[in-house]
Amino acid sequence: AQTVTQSQPEMSVQEAETVTLSCTYDTSESNYYLFWYKQPPSRQMILVIRQEAYKQQNATENRFSVNFQKAAKSFSLKISDSQLGDTAMYFCAGSQGNLIFGKGTKLSVKP
Amino acid sequence: DAGVIQSPRHEVTEMGQEVTLRCKPISGHNSLFWYRQTMMRGLELLIYFNNNVPIDDSGMPEDRFSAKMPNASFSTLKIQPSEPRDSAVYFCASSLLTSFYEQYFGPGTRLTVT
Repeated sequence: AQTVTQSQPEMSVQEAETVTLSCTYDTSESNYYLFWYKQPPSRQMILVIRQEAYKQQNATENRFSVNFQKAAKSFSLKISDSQLGDTAMYFCAGSQGNLIFGKGTKLSVKP
Repeated sequence: DAGVIQSPRHEVTEMGQEVTLRCKPISGHNSLFWYRQTMMRGLELLIYFNNNVPIDDSGMPEDRFSAKMPNASFSTLKIQPSEPRDSAVYFCASSLLTSFYEQYFGPGTRLTVT
């Protein structure tokens, strides 16, 4: 069975700085997708970025990028130039039959 | 394009009452998921459907919970009778079967059972 682990319950970063959120996963599948979701105080779950496991190139979406280390089973999210609106819970998720979510990291961006 | 639509957005009810939550998935999506989120237990998958057929309902906590998907554009989650411990935010999400379950979430229904 697939497992997704986020080891940082809470993190904080100063506005305009860079922060990296960690995620590790374990799966027996040969092909799968990994996702990061953002949940701001409004509680809406928003898809931030996706990574296809067969692609070696790391995905990038504007200020958000991933560092996908397949052998190490690591899938971290880097947020550059942090903004106050990035304050949210961030969930890592992997697909195997359905999506398996980590327990989340609460990120606070401080002015 | 309209996203996933859930109704109601907020529901307050008394213990013992029947509660029905509704979801309209994104048009063309053929997988639908119901989640429950609480502070204590985080985000839990309750049940999901592929092509309107329930695939895995192992997350449904008790027989008091039931879900249906009569057609591709509508699903309900029913709790009967409701209990205070059912208080949570309930999310519906949809995806394409071919997209490795890249899910799009609705805004959620905040349920309070007093």
